[in-house]
Amino acid sequence: RKEVEQDPGPFNVPEGATVAFNCTYSNSASQSFFWYRQDCRKEPKLLMSVYSSGNEDGRFTAQLNRASQYISLLIRDSKLSDSATYLCVVNPFSGGYNKLIFGAGTRLAVHP
Amino acid sequence: GAVVSQHPSRVICKSGTSVKIECRSLDFQATTMFWYRQFPKQSLMLMATSNEGSKATYEQGVEKDKFLINHASLTLSTLTVTSAHPEDSSFYICSASSGANVLTFGAGSRLTVL
Repeated sequence: RKEVEQDPGPFNVPEGATVAFNCTYSNSASQSFFWYRQDCRKEPKLLMSVYSSGNEDGRFTAQLNRASQYISLLIRDSKLSDSATYLCVVNPFSGGYNKLIFGAGTRLAVHP
Repeated sequence: GAVVSQHPSRVICKSGTSVKIECRSLDFQATTMFWYRQFPKQSLMLMATSNEGSKATYEQGVEKDKFLINHASLTLSTLTVTSAHPEDSSFYICSASSGANVLTFGAGSRLTVL
């Protein structure tokens, strides 16, 4: 079983749509969780951290369910510029040691 | 914000040659840097953890004699792909810890081995 699993997509949605991505992780002791965004042939960039209580950043909402080892990302009012691959990322270590485990990514294509 | 510079961004080489990729933290010191490899449509796979002043820690299945890592200063780590073969063609990305739970990535190096 992969350490971090995501639906690869692609998700093809029209502008203005709401889209949700899911992710599961296998290590129940994992400490920190993130969503990264990766554009084609570019490096990944941090989109947002995911907190236990859930958190929102503009049109983006992240949720964490530790009991189910499940992370989600909701994008509202999709823009063309949201087209990218979204990577679910887990840090199984505590103490600020940044050894991140990446999911394979979910591809999003927003069309006019 | 923190910036990590990675060079070269693209390299094409002949089979059997060695290629060096540099990763520099420009405005912060990084005792730890990470080297990832990404094949098309696959996730980033951690290859090794580069530790300043000591030996790198390699992930299972990564040959340390093939992928040489040197982290001689607090701002520079290098990855050398020795005796490169076509199957080593990939996107290599470094990252550096710029704070607790904060990783800054380089722009990546696309290696093509002919």
